[in-house]
Amino acid sequence: EDQVTQSPEALRLQEGESSSLNCSYTVSGLRGLFWYRQDPGKGPEFLFTLYSAGEEKEKERLKATLTKKESFLHITAPKPEDSATYLCAVQASGANSKLTFGKGITLSVRP
Amino acid sequence: NAGVMQNPRHLVRRRGQEARLRCSPMKGHSHVYWYRQLPEEGLKFMVYLQKENIIDESGMPKERFSAEFPKEGPSILRIQQVVRGDSAAYFCASSPPSRGGNVLTFGAGSRLTVL
Repeated sequence: EDQVTQSPEALRLQEGESSSLNCSYTVSGLRGLFWYRQDPGKGPEFLFTLYSAGEEKEKERLKATLTKKESFLHITAPKPEDSATYLCAVQASGANSKLTFGKGITLSVRP
Repeated sequence: NAGVMQNPRHLVRRRGQEARLRCSPMKGHSHVYWYRQLPEEGLKFMVYLQKENIIDESGMPKERFSAEFPKEGPSILRIQQVVRGDSAAYFCASSPPSRGGNVLTFGAGSRLTVL
């Protein structure tokens, strides 16, 4: 059974204080690892897909990296508007695109 | 250029009533996924449908829950005889037709409260 574990559960940062969010996974044949952002009362919003170990992707203050067992979402000099829940999910190889999600990491950035 | 549309956004039902949640996928998308999010829990996969076909229902409870995606119209998630434990946010996602590996685009969700 595919499993995703995210840590820490919650993270409070001061504006400008860089940090990393962890996602550990086990999957029977990884097709892709996905990061989503979810704001309160809204649906998940796609951020990145990573397909193979060593791959990195960046978007503004966010950078996602992937190894064979885990992924990190690095947040550089965060701003209050980065406050949200960050979800990690894996997609197994095969014809089905369904995602298996972790519980998410709630990030709060104080001004 | 609308995204994934879900309605109603909020639904209140009394125990024993039926709940129907609707999802219209993005234009050009023919694959629909339903997820449930309980408080303090992650998104849990329920069912994956294509037009007129249920492809994977491995996450659906065996009783009271059903889903369909007819040839015309939105996908429907139906919960019969609701209980308090059904209170949750239900999210629909869609993807374009292919052999897998697609990015899922999510709707804003339908929040069901069972009194």
